Amino acid sequence: NAGVMQNPRHLVRRRGQEARLRCSPMKGHSHVYWYRQLPEEGLKFMVYLQKENIIDESGMPKERFSAEFPKEGPSILRIQQVVRGDSAAYFCASSPPGTGVHEQYFGPGTRLTVT
Amino acid sequence: KQEVTQIPAALSVPEGENLVLNCSFTDSAIYNLQWFRQDPGKGLTSLLLIQSSQREQTSGRLNASLDKSSGRSTLYIAASQPGDSATYLCAVRGGANSKLTFGKGITLSVRP
Repeated sequence: NAGVMQNPRHLVRRRGQEARLRCSPMKGHSHVYWYRQLPEEGLKFMVYLQKENIIDESGMPKERFSAEFPKEGPSILRIQQVVRGDSAAYFCASSPPGTGVHEQYFGPGTRLTVT
Repeated sequence: KQEVTQIPAALSVPEGENLVLNCSFTDSAIYNLQWFRQDPGKGLTSLLLIQSSQREQTSGRLNASLDKSSGRSTLYIAASQPGDSATYLCAVRGGANSKLTFGKGITLSVRP
């Protein structure tokens, strides 16, 4: 069972461009979480999605950021018109549905650099 | 609002020493608590998960304890090795499917 996959691992964008980050959860996992790690900061929650639904987006900036988790395919975190302050590591985590321990499994992250 | 604190931010110890990493959280109504390890430029590796009903969990040289009422957890590392050098993150979860709230981590350096 492959782990959580994220791509690209590194992404460089110029100010004003769009960034698309992809996350494929572990097989059988239907819950996806996105976190952001700014330099010298801890990981901060951004958004929690289940298939075709946004459950909690309380950590998502109001503008320029959006996320989706379609019925088929990976979850996408989209950042429009990137600015230098968006430079960070973005981590995706997944967990299985139903009751149980609900441990979150993390991907290797995408490191976004805005020049 | 849940806040997680890890102090100190950095720690340097000689190889072989037993050490304790501390984590505190402000809201004791947690579902579970996880300790993670993060190497520079890498992702997160889950070390131990403690459910709110548990007092401790052990894996090899690692032991994590949880005192929910006082809002504290400790990660005990026995016989530390240079390979243990990394940042250790503590995170708590408020509900079964809810987000993790992380501390800023403790960067550990184990000197040979």
